[in-house]
Amino acid sequence: GAGVSQSPSNKVTEKGKDVELRCDPISGHTALYWYRQSLGQGLEFLIYFQGNSAPDKSGLPSDRFSAERTGGSVSTLTIQRTQQEDSAVYLCASSYRVSDEQFFGPGTRLTVL
Amino acid sequence: QKEVEQDPGPLSVPEGAIVSLNCTYSNSAFQYFMWYRQYSRKGPELLMYTYSSGNKEDGRFTAQVDKSSKYISLFIRDSQPSDSATYLCAMIQGAQKLVFGQGTRLTINP
Repeated sequence: GAGVSQSPSNKVTEKGKDVELRCDPISGHTALYWYRQSLGQGLEFLIYFQGNSAPDKSGLPSDRFSAERTGGSVSTLTIQRTQQEDSAVYLCASSYRVSDEQFFGPGTRLTVL
Repeated sequence: QKEVEQDPGPLSVPEGAIVSLNCTYSNSAFQYFMWYRQYSRKGPELLMYTYSSGNKEDGRFTAQVDKSSKYISLFIRDSQPSDSATYLCAMIQGAQKLVFGQGTRLTINP
């Protein structure tokens, strides 16, 4: 079956612009996660959604970052007023339940000029 | 200090060698331990998933967990050039988010 998909695969933007990154999880997966992978920093947790519960936003680095998940499926990560330090690969993962294996998408490579 | 420490490498070994990758952690509440493999420009994929202390083997891969020392390892036997990738350890407490190590970049030379 189809895996996790993300779009766009690459995004170049200018400092101060807003960007939206999209994640389509595996059908039927109730948990969805966003991570950020920067050079030399490994994967950093940002936010996760589980069913209809309130999301765990504890990893969001600032209030410029927000995410939503519509209809328990597709998720959008929004970064407002982008800064150069936001440049990274943003990875989305989904799992059947929170404690199950997480399947990762290919990521969106964001470059802020 | 990071919750999970992993030597970023790079690590380069000849084909056929045994590879040892390691992570240490500070949070004794971590219960589940994983190793992910990530090829360039791809998302991580799960290699091994362990819960208790001890060894778990899957083909050429062996995952080892020592909770008393807060130390986990991944061994790759008969390494192949196709094993060249970044290997990330990850840990989870209860049913919460994964905490990753920095990742070790591994190259297997033919």
